Amino acid sequence: DIQMTQSPSSLSASVGDRVTITCRASQSISSYLNWYQHKPGIAPKVLIYGASNFQSGVPSRFSGSGSGTDFTLTITSLQPEDFATYFCQQTYSTPLTFGQGTKVEIK
Amino acid sequence: QLLLQESGSGLVKPSQTLSLTCAVSGVTISSVGYSWSWIRQPPGKGLEWIGYIYHSGNDYYNPSLESRVTISIDNSNNQFSLRLSSVTAADTAVYYCARVVVPGVTGGAAYFDNWGQGTLVTVSS
Repeated sequence: DIQMTQSPSSLSASVGDRVTITCRASQSISSYLNWYQHKPGIAPKVLIYGASNFQSGVPSRFSGSGSGTDFTLTITSLQPEDFATYFCQQTYSTPLTFGQGTKVEIK
Repeated sequence: QLLLQESGSGLVKPSQTLSLTCAVSGVTISSVGYSWSWIRQPPGKGLEWIGYIYHSGNDYYNPSLESRVTISIDNSNNQFSLRLSSVTAADTAVYYCARVVVPGVTGGAAYFDNWGQGTLVTVSS
């Protein structure tokens, strides 16, 4: 199985901050990496697919980059509605696997 | 608007079978270019992919669960289901259903573009 390791596991930030979350795969997954946002009690929402492709309707402050084993999700100016858990997912091979999540909290 | 809604028993006894259904509205489940998946998240742990199924009935499972899992699809009622047998406390989790965008001939990453809100299933006597 491909292991996905996210860092940090949690972070505290203020509105307007630039936030960067990283995801590392245990082997190369090309660009088969997706990012999701999850808030308690709400269905998870895809933000970025294929490492850097924006899902329709996602604000432009979210961006993704990387390929191979190292990937980054960046939020350029954190907004109040962005406080949530973010997780990455590889769909390069089955079993599909997820990172353990990064919880973004209000500072 | 596409909506997915999980339903089923929230409490299952050890050794019994967990059964959940995901009702899909706003789109036909037999649409080409998609598959339908189950994912779970045990309390305090990360997400685990369980498996997915195409409208044709072709299915794929996580090897860690494959011996106990069956995902089925009901095209006439626009829903798909999960059965997990011989459950233990380790199967206690929030279970999600989701639609998977399957890459076409040009390739690209598959991704889960719509999810249900999730339903908590507790395994306890």
